[in-house]
Amino acid sequence: GENVEQHPSTLSVQEGDSAVIKCTYSDSASNYFPWYKQELGKGPQLIIDIRSNVGEKKDQRIAVTLNKTAKHFSLHITETQPEDSAVYFCAASDPQGAQKLVFGQGTRLTINP
Amino acid sequence: GAGVSQTPSNKVTEKGKYVELRCDPISGHTALYWYRQSLGQGPEFLIYFQGTGAADDSGLPNDRFFAVRPEGSVSTLKIQRTERGDSAVYLCASSPATSGVGEQFFGPGTRLTVL
Repeated sequence: GENVEQHPSTLSVQEGDSAVIKCTYSDSASNYFPWYKQELGKGPQLIIDIRSNVGEKKDQRIAVTLNKTAKHFSLHITETQPEDSAVYFCAASDPQGAQKLVFGQGTRLTINP
Repeated sequence: GAGVSQTPSNKVTEKGKYVELRCDPISGHTALYWYRQSLGQGPEFLIYFQGTGAADDSGLPNDRFFAVRPEGSVSTLKIQRTERGDSAVYLCASSPATSGVGEQFFGPGTRLTVL
């Protein structure tokens, strides 16, 4: 089945700087890659997603890039703000499991004021 | 509009007891998922419903776990003879997708603690 690796596990950046989180996946047939933000005590919140027919997608300060050949995708957050501090998870659809998502291990992002 | 809701938010039980966890999906969403999240880990898939039927239950760890969605809306995850290793946050998600993979929207989760 699909396997997703996420790096780094923790990331600390100064407010206003950019943050980048990277994920790799194992199954080239995966076609959907969402990113979730999870705050303490809350469920994961979908912040952006990308499908395999697109190389990049942007929504205000957040962008996701996908390299199908290398089987990796990245989340980019620009002009970071303190409220961006949270745990971020990448995920990939599992071609063997029709609808399910396989998640990475998470990245704890801290924005220092 | 209302998001996915889950009750209870916290459940403490003793080893060997039976528990039920409830999920109310977003109105109109035909797809419903249960995931389990252990401390410091990403969510792990348990089961997926499309309408009333369990389309994929390959993530259920053993036969102590069972889930139902009798009317195609609310779902209940049932755990028999709970063990300490069952302690985790149980997350429910729903999606409007009727085929293929679509956006999944998560609820706040139920934190289960087995003493």
